[in-house]
Amino acid sequence: QVQLKESGPGLVQPSQTLSLTCTVSGFSLTSYSVHWVRQHSGKSLEWMGRMWSDGDTSYNSAFTSRLSISRDTSKSQVFLKMNSLQTEDTGTYYCASGPYYFDYWGQGVMVTVSS
Amino acid sequence: DVQMTQSLSYLAASPGESVSISCKASKSISNYLAWYQQKPGEAYKLLIYSGSTLQSGTPSRFSGSGSGTDFTLTIRSLEPEDFGLYYCQQYYEKPLTFGSGTKLEIK
Repeated sequence: QVQLKESGPGLVQPSQTLSLTCTVSGFSLTSYSVHWVRQHSGKSLEWMGRMWSDGDTSYNSAFTSRLSISRDTSKSQVFLKMNSLQTEDTGTYYCASGPYYFDYWGQGVMVTVSS
Repeated sequence: DVQMTQSLSYLAASPGESVSISCKASKSISNYLAWYQQKPGEAYKLLIYSGSTLQSGTPSRFSGSGSGTDFTLTIRSLEPEDFGLYYCQQYYEKPLTFGSGTKLEIK
């Protein structure tokens, strides 16, 4: 059974770095891509970037300068790090698996950027 | 970026009725389109990909159509469990982009 679960701090201070973890089960990170998608409250979804099955990464240029996605295949985890957070980065962050569309999603983790 | 427009943000219909949700791309995306359903407290669910291919487990009352710039998700004979938010997403080019969503309420 495929599952993805996001974890991380619910509150981050402005200008700080957000670190999130996506723990997957039911598939291998070396076989499927994992993406990060965020949703501002009540608004649409925004694709942030992807960890390919071969370890390569791809990013939305809107985030390129401050976003990094990495993984630990032995722990079945994909990581998101984004620096220089601002209040506009408040939202729900999801990880999802799939080639270019998303077969499976996590439940999401809410992140608030506030002092 | 390819802009995806879902012109209807809200739709209400009764069980047994059929509804259609439209999605328009700002440029041709061939059939590189997916549809998702989100229900409160549940994870997003992939319904359709490649414009019209049902994901395993998607009930046959759901169908997708369209190619190029105009796409439609149709739900025949609505069931009460079909309420929720529906989003389209293009994967023709990076960055992957989504429509703004259509909320379907069951009367």
